[in-house]
Amino acid sequence: DAEITQSPRHKITETGRQVTLACHQTWNHNNMFWYRQDLGHGLRLIHYSYGVHDTNKGEVSDGYSVSRSNTEDLPLTLESAASSQTSVYFCASSESTRSGTGNEQFFGPGTRLTVL
Amino acid sequence: AQKITQTQPGMFVQEKEAVTLDCTYDTSDPSYGLFWYKQPSSGEMIFLIYQGSYDQQNATEGRYSLNFQKARKSANLVISASQLGDSAMYFCAISAAGNKLTFGGGTRVLVKP
Repeated sequence: DAEITQSPRHKITETGRQVTLACHQTWNHNNMFWYRQDLGHGLRLIHYSYGVHDTNKGEVSDGYSVSRSNTEDLPLTLESAASSQTSVYFCASSESTRSGTGNEQFFGPGTRLTVL
Repeated sequence: AQKITQTQPGMFVQEKEAVTLDCTYDTSDPSYGLFWYKQPSSGEMIFLIYQGSYDQQNATEGRYSLNFQKARKSANLVISASQLGDSAMYFCAISAAGNKLTFGGGTRVLVKP
């Protein structure tokens, strides 16, 4: 069965360190997204990609970067981790269609990141 | 830009009763989609139901139905015959071109036996 996985599931790091969160999907979806969810809140878009070598900034992109070298993976990098980046991070993917509005996003299980 | 407002931070519902979760949205895009996701305490995001802005009929998926009132910019979720397993956070979200989702703050539902 197709799936979307994230690793690690839990990560503790120190302020100033570079951290990379992995996201891998076997749906063969062109669209991939990274969101963060802070305690008691909804998800906010960090970065997204519509295909290989395509990346775009979302609502809360400062301090984060992504790269898309193949269809399956969209790693998220925190260049210099800050305590404000302590959060749960979700990766998602979806098909791409002409209208672009109605495609269900499939979510990974999330990565809980703590920055001390 | 899109915006979703969920005004009910939390609510109790008796098992086997129906519950309505409110969602209002704001967008300037003529074509958009509205989604509801469920997040149980285990943390995963589970897709429940979708409504397109041009869909004439309200969407239904099993015990879930979406009460779409375009003129009022509302997309309320109705869960019929609540079950204990329905206890979770529920998020309303909107997508425009590009399929990017903007989420509301969520509503926590607790089903009482």
